[in-house]
Amino acid sequence: DAGVTQSPTHLIKTRGQQVTLRCSPKSGHDTVSWYQQALGQGPQFIFQYYEEEERQRGNFPDRFSGHQFPNYSSELNVNALLLGDSALYLCASSSRTSGGGTYEQYFGPGTRLTVT
Amino acid sequence: GQQLNQSPQSMFIQEGEDVSMNCTSSSIFNTWLWYKQDPGEGPVLLIALYKAGELTSNGRLTAQFGITRKDSFLNISASIPSDVGIYFCGTSYGKLTFGQGTILTVHP
Repeated sequence: DAGVTQSPTHLIKTRGQQVTLRCSPKSGHDTVSWYQQALGQGPQFIFQYYEEEERQRGNFPDRFSGHQFPNYSSELNVNALLLGDSALYLCASSSRTSGGGTYEQYFGPGTRLTVT
Repeated sequence: GQQLNQSPQSMFIQEGEDVSMNCTSSSIFNTWLWYKQDPGEGPVLLIALYKAGELTSNGRLTAQFGITRKDSFLNISASIPSDVGIYFCGTSYGKLTFGQGTILTVHP
């Protein structure tokens, strides 16, 4: 049973460029959430996708956008990269319980993005 | 927004010692989750708690959901070197909100 997978593992970009990160959820999961983790801090919620729509969003600018595909995989896009976007980007998958609400999330290994 | 206060920030212990850490909030939650993160990897779910007063174990790890629903505790018994890492508490209603983390160092 494959867990959450993310690609690429590492990425180096220049300020102003655009980047796309990819995530495949754990088998049986239909919800994907994205988090940004700066060095020495806990992960910060970016947004969550379910049924191919963005369902919740954290305090991140519109430069951060995403997409979910029919097979539940997801992409995170960041435009006009800033130095401060350098971080570990984590994808987490989960399965919605009936009626929604709280549920456990399982993380992938992350993509380390460095912006120079 | 929600804020979780996790303590201690770091711990340096000898192998074989027990460890306790906690997480508090001014808000009431329906779920408490405990994760461990190794360097360069994603957090791994250790224990999930869903009921006030619930006490759940996972091997040498035991976590409790506080009666007030505003706090949670994680205990590690008889620590070993591979327990080294960062431990995060989190609450979830859709999105996960994490504490600042407790850095655990275990000396052999």
